[in-house]
Amino acid sequence: NAGVTQTPKFRILKIGQSMTLQCTQDMNHNYMYWYRQDPGMGLKLIYYSVGAGITDKGEVPNGYNVSRSTTEDFPLRLELAAPSQTSVYFCASSYRGGTNTGELFFGEGSRLTVL
Amino acid sequence: AQTVTQSQPEMSVQEAETVTLSCTYDTSESDYYLFWYKQPPSRQMILVIRQEAYKQQNATENRFSVNFQKAAKSFSLKISDSQLGDAAMYFCASRYRNSGGSNYKLTFGKGTLLTVNP
Repeated sequence: NAGVTQTPKFRILKIGQSMTLQCTQDMNHNYMYWYRQDPGMGLKLIYYSVGAGITDKGEVPNGYNVSRSTTEDFPLRLELAAPSQTSVYFCASSYRGGTNTGELFFGEGSRLTVL
Repeated sequence: AQTVTQSQPEMSVQEAETVTLSCTYDTSESDYYLFWYKQPPSRQMILVIRQEAYKQQNATENRFSVNFQKAAKSFSLKISDSQLGDAAMYFCASRYRNSGGSNYKLTFGKGTLLTVNP
């Protein structure tokens, strides 16, 4: 009964470093998303995927890359980390189908600080 | 494109009292979902309540209910008998209901921070 699992929960990076935020879901959801949450700004969509092998940009994709090789996993890669990428990152998933209730299921978030 | 506006950055309520959080949205579609999510200090995003736009009846979940005014594009959340555990950031969100890749995106407001005073 894990749902959406994100790792790591906390990370500090130096400017210019790279890292990958891992996300996996065990609900067999077709759709997966990465959001970032900045104080007072709500959640902004970075990338999303409608199925394995298919990804697309959201509102704020610059500085990030994603891949979706399996239904379960949707890692987010930060290349050349910048202070502007200091944020809390949320992975989410949702189901596509006849019983789709529209709800997104969220991971617990990953707090990333770039110094 | 969808936009969601929460005009109240912060609200406070006395324990056991009722509070209403406001949300307005803009969409060109006629078929969509509306949600309220709660984010306590633990950071976890928790679904509070969901409303399908085609349903005229307002959704209710225990102490939580909504006032959905489709023509006015308004979707307020009422919390009755407020409890200390209700203290959190509350986000209003919308999503198209029809199929299609980008139509499954959830668009969020900026949130309302609710404080519950004992």
